[in-house]
Amino acid sequence: DTEVTQTPKHLVMGMTNKKSLKCEQHMGHRAMYWYKQKAKKPPELMFVYSYEKLSINESVPSRFSPECPNSSLLNLHLHALQPEDSALYLCASSQEWREGQETQYFGPGTRLLVL
Amino acid sequence: QKEVEQNSGPLSVPEGAIASLNCTYSDRGSQSFFWYRQYSGKSPELIMFIYSNGDKEDGRFTAQLNKASQYVSLLIRDSQPSDSATYLCAVNTDSGYALNFGKGTSLLVTP
Repeated sequence: DTEVTQTPKHLVMGMTNKKSLKCEQHMGHRAMYWYKQKAKKPPELMFVYSYEKLSINESVPSRFSPECPNSSLLNLHLHALQPEDSALYLCASSQEWREGQETQYFGPGTRLLVL
Repeated sequence: QKEVEQNSGPLSVPEGAIASLNCTYSDRGSQSFFWYRQYSGKSPELIMFIYSNGDKEDGRFTAQLNKASQYVSLLIRDSQPSDSATYLCAVNTDSGYALNFGKGTSLLVTP
């Protein structure tokens, strides 16, 4: 089973709202990732968690705040977003985090629209 | 800047033909190479991964890796209209810490 689940599937929020995206995997993977993908562009890495610790933050604005409550869950808290933050937000997981050598499995994504 | 290059396409092939998708990369230290398929509005789906020089086959898909020439390719035999999607090449980087994605090649299989 290589399933990564994400909720919600779609989200519309205003620039003053606070919302959270949720990601879950039950494959025993110890690395989890957040990516952002704009239309017709490849995924852009935002954060990497390894063994529930934040390992990589790709200079993401503080209005995006990741959280890893346990080894199966990954959240992305959103606050005061801008319209240009509208995108598909993808969660992925891999067995380990070893400098991109591990196979990453993606969840279905959350389509976010910021008004 | 470590680069992963793909022809954006669209690459159009008739149903039943072989589709050939190519990817070149700049980092000689790269060790892991992945092909993802992405339908419009959906998330990337892993198709193949390859670590060693040569060919790796899985059903209708064959990944080919040539580290000396720094390219990796994906062949799709007996192409079907359902194969129409964007194919993303992803490469780990020796000095980096995560996957580096190409911009993707759009494949259109016509009935």
